[in-house]
Amino acid sequence: GDSVTQMEGPVTLSEEAFLTINCTYTATGYPSLFWYVQYPGEGLQLLLKATKADDKGSNKGFEATYRKETTSFHLEKGSVQVSDSAVYFCALNPTPLISSGSARQLTFGSGTQLTVLP
Amino acid sequence: NAGVTQTPKFRVLKTGQSMTLLCAQDMNHEYMYWYRQDPGMGLRLIHYSVGEGTTAKGEVPDGYNVSRLKKQNFLLGLESAAPSQTSVYFCASRRRGSSYNEQFFGPGTRLTVL
Repeated sequence: GDSVTQMEGPVTLSEEAFLTINCTYTATGYPSLFWYVQYPGEGLQLLLKATKADDKGSNKGFEATYRKETTSFHLEKGSVQVSDSAVYFCALNPTPLISSGSARQLTFGSGTQLTVLP
Repeated sequence: NAGVTQTPKFRVLKTGQSMTLLCAQDMNHEYMYWYRQDPGMGLRLIHYSVGEGTTAKGEVPDGYNVSRLKKQNFLLGLESAAPSQTSVYFCASRRRGSSYNEQFFGPGTRLTVL
């Protein structure tokens, strides 16, 4: 079945440091890929998405490129801020024609806790 | 536009007690989901619904029941709570026909079973 493997946390960085959170996936066909962010005490919010190979999703200074050859979707940000402290989840949406369920459930990675220190 | 709301935000139960978690969305979404979030395990799907009056099992349905009597509400029930059900529960919804399956999440319910 589909699966998402995420970099183990927690990750602690100083403000303005470069961030990379690794995400690789296993899926049949051509899934869509997402990064969700969960700020303390809140639900998950969609951060960015990419729907086909070589697409780059970007939002709030974060970027991730859909690499089919390496089955990866690593999250990057050039200069993190204290306000970026959160848990980040990589997620996969299976290819519609292959998925057996019409609701097309998302498959989530285990999440990576990021703490940015001032 | 409140989006997805969940009630209650926190709850402590004793083993064997029952409770119902309420999820409500005002976006007229057809699909709704219940997930549980446990440390190191990400989110796992409990049950979902593709429309009013229909529900289906997800990855970890045992010990839970659901109902979708109204399009905007999705209820998650625990008939006899167990300590293994201590978790954070998230509800989500999405529009049918959403090409990318973007789901909108509620703020979560933190449940502790003693």
